[in-house]
Amino acid sequence: GEDVEQSLFLSVREGDSSVINCTYTDSSSTYLYWYKQEPGAGLQLLTYIFSNMDMKQDQRLTVLLNKKDKHLSLRIADTQTGDSAIYFCAERGTGGYQKVTFGIGTKLQVIP
Amino acid sequence: NAGVTQTPKFQVLKTGQSMTLQCAQDMNHEYMSWYRQDPGMGLRLIHYSVGAGITDQGEVPNGYNVSRSTTEDFPLRLLSAAPSQTSVYFCASFGQGKAGYTFGSGTRLTVV
Repeated sequence: GEDVEQSLFLSVREGDSSVINCTYTDSSSTYLYWYKQEPGAGLQLLTYIFSNMDMKQDQRLTVLLNKKDKHLSLRIADTQTGDSAIYFCAERGTGGYQKVTFGIGTKLQVIP
Repeated sequence: NAGVTQTPKFQVLKTGQSMTLQCAQDMNHEYMSWYRQDPGMGLRLIHYSVGAGITDQGEVPNGYNVSRSTTEDFPLRLLSAAPSQTSVYFCASFGQGKAGYTFGSGTRLTVV
């Protein structure tokens, strides 16, 4: 079945840029997502990119998609302590709305 | 507009007990899903529904039942709780024209 892989942990200093990477296996992915989970909370949709795009920018967030290599990245500019959270990469294939596969999440630690 | 509401937030069960996790959404979304989140395993799909009266199994359905009698409600029933069902459970909904899932805040379940 489909698989989404991402590293477990990333530590950055406040003010630096953070880059969280993800790879996926489903070549028929239509949407790719980044969700943010703060402690004790549910997942919040942070941003997404449609599979026919290669870049999307939204304020401090930049999403890059390399469809050939099935690689997705999330760059957070000027990282703040409030960005400390777990970030989940997810992909949606063509099997319907329920067919969203999540990665295991990357814990971002921002050091003041 | 409350979004997706899950109750209870915390629950402790004894092995063999049954219970129902409640989930309600007020966004008129057709699609609803239950996920469980375990350390190192990301989110795994338990059951999903594409509309009232229609449910189907996800990746890890054993030990759980669901029903969808209305668009708004999608309860998850644990038939006979086992320690392996200790987890954080998330309900999520997805509407046509929306890019991604909206998640509830989760139910943290401990089975002793």
